[in-house]
Amino acid sequence: EAGVTQFPSHSVIEKGQTVTLRCDPISGHDNLYWYRRVMGKEIKFLLHFVKESKQDESGMPNNRFLAERTGGTYSTLKVQPAELEDSGVYFCASSHPSRDRRRNEQYFGPGTRLTVT
Amino acid sequence: AQTVTQSQPEMSVQEAETVTLSCTYDTSESDYYLFWYKQPPSRQMILVIRQEAYKQQNATENRFSVNFQKAAKSFSLKISDSQLGDAAMYFCAYRSLGQGAQKLVFGQGTRLTINP
Repeated sequence: EAGVTQFPSHSVIEKGQTVTLRCDPISGHDNLYWYRRVMGKEIKFLLHFVKESKQDESGMPNNRFLAERTGGTYSTLKVQPAELEDSGVYFCASSHPSRDRRRNEQYFGPGTRLTVT
Repeated sequence: AQTVTQSQPEMSVQEAETVTLSCTYDTSESDYYLFWYKQPPSRQMILVIRQEAYKQQNATENRFSVNFQKAAKSFSLKISDSQLGDAAMYFCAYRSLGQGAQKLVFGQGTRLTINP
């Protein structure tokens, strides 16, 4: 079974440009999460999809960030326009749907390292 | 809001020795999950061990065990017989069991180096 994949693995863009990150969850996982780690600090939650619906987007920093999950499969995270403070590693995770919330283990992708210059 | 603190940015240990990584957290909830995740260099993060707050018994997974002190809100990870493959960033994380709450709250991470 393929794990969570993310593309690209590394992106370098200039301030003001647009970047789109992609995440492909494990097949059958309805739950998809985005996190990011900025400047060696703690990993912070951005948002959570259940299928194509946003369940929790309380961690989205501002309206320059747009996440979508059309069709409830893969997800994209667009940053437009990018700022220097957006640099960091963006992680995606997915979990299997389960009525028992205790069993919703999250499986992580390798992350996308974003560098804004 | 819940917070997780890892006070050791870096740790090192000799191969085959034992090392303990510290984690404290703050919450007003009585039931929750705690996790230790490991991220090897240039590889994805994987779950090492989990602890359910309502269970008094400390979780164990082979060479990895935790010391869960609920009253003190402490959740340390002990790695016995350290191996070179244990070198990684280790993240402590908290997850609430409230309705709709599935996000993980992470600590700052501890970089573990294994000295041969």
